[in-house]
Amino acid sequence: GQNIDQPTEMTATEGAIVQINCTYQTSGFNGLFWYQQHAGEAPTFLSYNVLDGLEEKGRFSSFLSRSKGYSYLLLKELQMKDSASYLCAVSRGNTPLVFGKGTRLSVIA
Amino acid sequence: EPEVTQTPSHQVTQMGQEVILRCVPISNHLYFYWYRQILGQKVEFLVSFYNNEISEKSEIFDDQFSVERPDGSNFTLKIRSTKLEDSAMYFCASSDAGSNTEAFFGQGTRLTVV
Repeated sequence: GQNIDQPTEMTATEGAIVQINCTYQTSGFNGLFWYQQHAGEAPTFLSYNVLDGLEEKGRFSSFLSRSKGYSYLLLKELQMKDSASYLCAVSRGNTPLVFGKGTRLSVIA
Repeated sequence: EPEVTQTPSHQVTQMGQEVILRCVPISNHLYFYWYRQILGQKVEFLVSFYNNEISEKSEIFDDQFSVERPDGSNFTLKIRSTKLEDSAMYFCASSDAGSNTEAFFGQGTRLTVV
């Protein structure tokens, strides 16, 4: 089976940096996705990590350690519009994505 | 920019009725998925479809559920006899090369069973 853990809620201040962690336990691991989901809307793709290390994409960066079963999403220069749920999802072989429960981020002024 | 479209955006149905949720995946994509999200809970996989057949399904996808690609563009999810617990947001998604590539999600259909 698979186990994906991420914090349920986080709060951060506008302009700050926040790190959202995700740990996973699974067999046949291929890679790890991060999706953003605003309330009542569809998940939208943020990043996909296959290899260890940090991938940077504008204000968002994602890190993966395959040996530790650990990833994080780093959001810099937080904006109010970044208030959303951030979903960690594991890719295994050719099987469809398995999502974690998501971390609800609230950005406050 | 190409997108996955779903209709209707909201469907209310009585318990025991059949519903069909419709999706138009991105035109050059080959892999299609249905996910559901009960309010306040995580996104759960239902079924994947490739080469005109189901490639994988979860334990949620029981005999009450079926999928079809009736023509070259539509991808439908049918629930034969809805139950209260089927109330959820249903997302269709598609990708061009399986689960190791970005899946594009539609805006979802909110199904309410009363």
